Amino acid sequence: DAGITQSPRHKVTETGTPVTLRCHQTENHRYMYWYRQDPGHGLRLIHYSYGVKDTDKGEVSDGYSVSRSKTEDFLLTLESATSSQTSVYFCAISETGRHGYTFGSGTRLTVV
Amino acid sequence: DQQVKQNSPSLSVQEGRISILNCDYTNSMFDYFLWYKKYPAEGPTFLISISSIKDKNEDGRFTVFLNKSAKHLSLHIVPSQPGDSAVYFCAASSGNAGGTSYGKLTFGQGTILTVHP
Repeated sequence: DAGITQSPRHKVTETGTPVTLRCHQTENHRYMYWYRQDPGHGLRLIHYSYGVKDTDKGEVSDGYSVSRSKTEDFLLTLESATSSQTSVYFCAISETGRHGYTFGSGTRLTVV
Repeated sequence: DQQVKQNSPSLSVQEGRISILNCDYTNSMFDYFLWYKKYPAEGPTFLISISSIKDKNEDGRFTVFLNKSAKHLSLHIVPSQPGDSAVYFCAASSGNAGGTSYGKLTFGQGTILTVHP
């Protein structure tokens, strides 16, 4: 989507290795979010940020950490990847938090 | 616990007919509701929303209805078109403007809509 990019788009990694996914925005929006999408579960919030260096946990945060050192970048790190973290990860941004997010195109992560 | 539920995993309709997608929620603190549409290999895109002070919001072929007493919302698509075939997610949020929890969305599981020509 224009204004928000995720990298990489696809990644295969081995169990136990660290992985970092990047979300970059050019909209200068305050709020940024990381979600994962899994069959039967829809989209579940992992972590979110409401400003630079201000982050908080979502409903499925175990095994994940985030960092936001500048407005445009929100990083999601899997400290030690497990097979249960195989998923599609979406980043989203919002200016007000109230009128809908803009989502990135997603990162498909496979942990083998 | 699933605070937002879409109990129909899939829905199939004929082109030109009405599509009705349903969503139920349990958290009475939710005061803003949204629908998103998702095509394969793409991120979800915002479709339509409704505040809890309203019971209906319309945008072209899309109308969202909110029944607060039943904690139920629905999305009507009339007339349905083959290009509407996608996964539809409902989402809900609560919170005060500008607060740290503002805008956190809770999503349902999604409903796959297939519109046949």
